[in-house]
Amino acid sequence: DQQVKQNSPSLSVQEGRISILNCDYTNSMFDYFLWYKKYPAEGPTFLISISSIKDKNEDGRFTVFLNKSAKHLSLHIVPSQPGDSAVYFCAASAVGQGGKLIFGQGTELSVKP
Amino acid sequence: DAGVIQSPRHEVTEMGQEVTLRCKPISGHNSLFWYRQTMMRGLELLIYFNNNVPIDDSGMPEDRFSAKMPNASFSTLKIQPSEPRDSAVYFCASSLEVGKAFFGQGTRLTVV
Repeated sequence: DQQVKQNSPSLSVQEGRISILNCDYTNSMFDYFLWYKKYPAEGPTFLISISSIKDKNEDGRFTVFLNKSAKHLSLHIVPSQPGDSAVYFCAASAVGQGGKLIFGQGTELSVKP
Repeated sequence: DAGVIQSPRHEVTEMGQEVTLRCKPISGHNSLFWYRQTMMRGLELLIYFNNNVPIDDSGMPEDRFSAKMPNASFSTLKIQPSEPRDSAVYFCASSLEVGKAFFGQGTRLTVV
């Protein structure tokens, strides 16, 4: 049972445009959501997070939106840069689970110059 | 801080052999996680420790897999005997605050 789903395995965007990566979840106990970025041959690195008490969190070019009623979150990157090309993972954790993260399958973003 | 350190970076072994993966978490972090990444299943949690105690090992695929954390600065994941389907990238991660885990660079395991 995939509790966190990223239905788009890949996304291609032109440099300077907006990249929107989507994530859906099924477990209503999730209360904290994160996005990780992964380059080849490296471990995932933390990018941005959002608590379930918020619906938006912004950090520079990166904004995460949370729609609890739809159990959906998205990551917006504006403007997109070639260096943003990587695999992006959505992750979620539930209260009382000791920080255990459940990951989506990832979306490979390619930003073309 | 050097971050989460995993060794070896690459391991090639023959089917049936014992494999031991090692992890040094970030100093001061109280949670440690072992993940496995495969094309088919993505990033799946195998086991996690809190204050050196295993909390949830429901993701460990079989009895061939075992993990230990003898102290706050060291953990091992052992596969005995190894099989070709165990080939994957294994990540160790540690965290202090809930949710925000820091990952090592991974160990790429190939079982032939």
